[in-house]
Amino acid sequence: NAGVTQTPKFRILKIGQSMTLQCTQDMNHNYMYWYRQDPGMGLKLIYYSVGAGITDKGEVPNGYNVSRSTTEDFPLRLELAAPSQTSVYFCASSYSGPPLETQYFGPGTRLLVL
Amino acid sequence: AQSVTQLGSHVSVSEGALVLLRCNYSSSVPPYLFWYVQYPNQGLQLLLKYTSAATLVKGINGFEAEFKKSETSFHLTKPSAHMSDAAEYFCAVSEWNNDMRFGAGTRLTVKP
Repeated sequence: NAGVTQTPKFRILKIGQSMTLQCTQDMNHNYMYWYRQDPGMGLKLIYYSVGAGITDKGEVPNGYNVSRSTTEDFPLRLELAAPSQTSVYFCASSYSGPPLETQYFGPGTRLLVL
Repeated sequence: AQSVTQLGSHVSVSEGALVLLRCNYSSSVPPYLFWYVQYPNQGLQLLLKYTSAATLVKGINGFEAEFKKSETSFHLTKPSAHMSDAAEYFCAVSEWNNDMRFGAGTRLTVKP
């Protein structure tokens, strides 16, 4: 049972480039989330999904896009990378939504935009 | 909106000493509170959560936290630190139909 997996682990992007961060969960969870973690800051929610085909914005969605075509996958797209998007990105999933349900996190993707 | 403040970005204790990590929350309604731990190069794992039942919550690895409404606090404690407790700890708060908000984290160092 792999849980939540994320790829890549680390990536360097040039300003203006685009990329997709991959997230897959094998727990048949309905809810999936994308967070970013900046140094000295807590995790901030970028986007979340309550099921296949349904996504919604979190606290800091600007500069990102998501899609959810399957229960398992929840990719995060950066269209025009900016230095402000340098961060560690975590994907998480839960069977149902906040506030009671435990979220399970992937190991993170470290992104550097130069 | 709900929020949490973790006092102290870095806490250092000796092995066998008491661990105390502080968390204060702000919420307009009764909150749900969580402590997560992040080991190096890993994702966050749930330590414990408060969901309005008992105010003293016991979690994994000997950790516990007490919900104090009058102090708006949810401090994390462990009587005796172990080297394996070295990690980053995050407090989080959630309200019904609202997303979870995380604190900035406290890095715990355990000295031999």
